[in-house]
Amino acid sequence: DTEVTQTPKHLVMGMTNKKSLKCEQHMGHRAMYWYKQKAKKPPELMFVYSYEKLSINESVPSRFSPECPNSSLLNLHLHALQPEDSALYLCASSQGLAGEQFFGPGTRLTVL
Amino acid sequence: QKEVEQDPGPLSVPEGAIVSLNCTYSNSAFQYFMWYRQYSRKGPELLMYTYSSGNKEDGRFTAQVDKSSKYISLFIRDSQPSDSATYLCAMNTVTRDKLVFGAGTILRVKS
Repeated sequence: DTEVTQTPKHLVMGMTNKKSLKCEQHMGHRAMYWYKQKAKKPPELMFVYSYEKLSINESVPSRFSPECPNSSLLNLHLHALQPEDSALYLCASSQGLAGEQFFGPGTRLTVL
Repeated sequence: QKEVEQDPGPLSVPEGAIVSLNCTYSNSAFQYFMWYRQYSRKGPELLMYTYSSGNKEDGRFTAQVDKSSKYISLFIRDSQPSDSATYLCAMNTVTRDKLVFGAGTILRVKS
């Protein structure tokens, strides 16, 4: 099973809302990632978790807050977002930090 | 200069054609090479994964890596309208913990 699941599929939120994106994998992978993707652009790395510890934060604004409750789950907490944060948010996982990554279907976020 | 260069297209071909998609790169330390297919508004799907040099075949897809030229290719035989998507190349070093993506090539297969 090479599946990464993400919920919700779509999310519309106002600039004062707090919401969370969820990601789950059951492949035993030890690294998990959050990416942001704008239309007609490749995915842009936001955060990397390795063995449940944050190893990379690509200078992401603090209105995005990641959390890794266990080796299978990854959350992204959203607060006070801006309209320019509207994008497809992708979760991915990999066995180690190098090599192939498997992506989830993404959450399409719209900030009003 | 970007680390990975990929022509964004679009590339339009008739059904049944052989498609060639390519990326060039500048970092000789890249060892892991991937091709992803992404349909509109969906997540990228891993198509091919190659470590170091050589060829790999999976059904209608063949991935080639030429490290001496710093050039990778994805060939699609007997292309179908369902192959219409954006194809992203991605690569990584042994020690780096982030993928470097190409810009993605939009492919359109016309029936």
